[in-house]
Amino acid sequence: TQLLEQSPQFLSIQEGENLTVYCNSSSVFSSLQWYRQEPGEGPVLLVTVVTGGEVKKLKRLTFQFGDARKDSSLHITAAQPGDTGLYLCAGENNRDDKIIFGKGTRLHILP
Amino acid sequence: KAGVTQTPRYLIKTRGQQVTLSCSPISGHRSVSWYQQTPGQGLQFLFEYFSETQRNKGNFPGRFSGRQFSNSRSEMNVSTLELGDSALYLCASRTLNTRYNEQFFGPGTRLTVL
Repeated sequence: TQLLEQSPQFLSIQEGENLTVYCNSSSVFSSLQWYRQEPGEGPVLLVTVVTGGEVKKLKRLTFQFGDARKDSSLHITAAQPGDTGLYLCAGENNRDDKIIFGKGTRLHILP
Repeated sequence: KAGVTQTPRYLIKTRGQQVTLSCSPISGHRSVSWYQQTPGQGLQFLFEYFSETQRNKGNFPGRFSGRQFSNSRSEMNVSTLELGDSALYLCASRTLNTRYNEQFFGPGTRLTVL
């Protein structure tokens, strides 16, 4: 059974601090997506990484795909209250297109 | 391009009843997946449909069923509702003909079973 483990599960930090969220697996993915979800709403796609070692930036968010395409990280610089939410990573299996989700990191930024 | 739409947004049912949820994918997307999300279990995969055929299935009882129409719209049905079926039900669509296939979610249907 494929697993995608996210850490930490919960994170509460002060506005202005930096943080990193991790997504790890023993499986190889053809692509990996990061989503942010607010309460009562559907997840919103933030980014897709495809190439091993790829780095993508979205304003203060930096996403990295591991060289072996088995893991990924999300780094937020100078976190703001608007970054609060549930962050989910999802990997697309390179054999059968199945998508698996991590359990998410619930992030709370204190003003 | 319009996003994924789901109806209704909110639903209240009682135990034993059945419910049907609807999802319209992004234009051109032929794959539709359904997920159940609860605080304790996170996002759990129900099933995926592609070209009116169930392509993948998660580990849910047979009370949960779905179908897809020729225009790619999909419905999900839950029969004999139980209290534990209270959850946010999410629909997501994607293409399946590219090197990688990003999934886009609808806003969800919040189902409460009393």
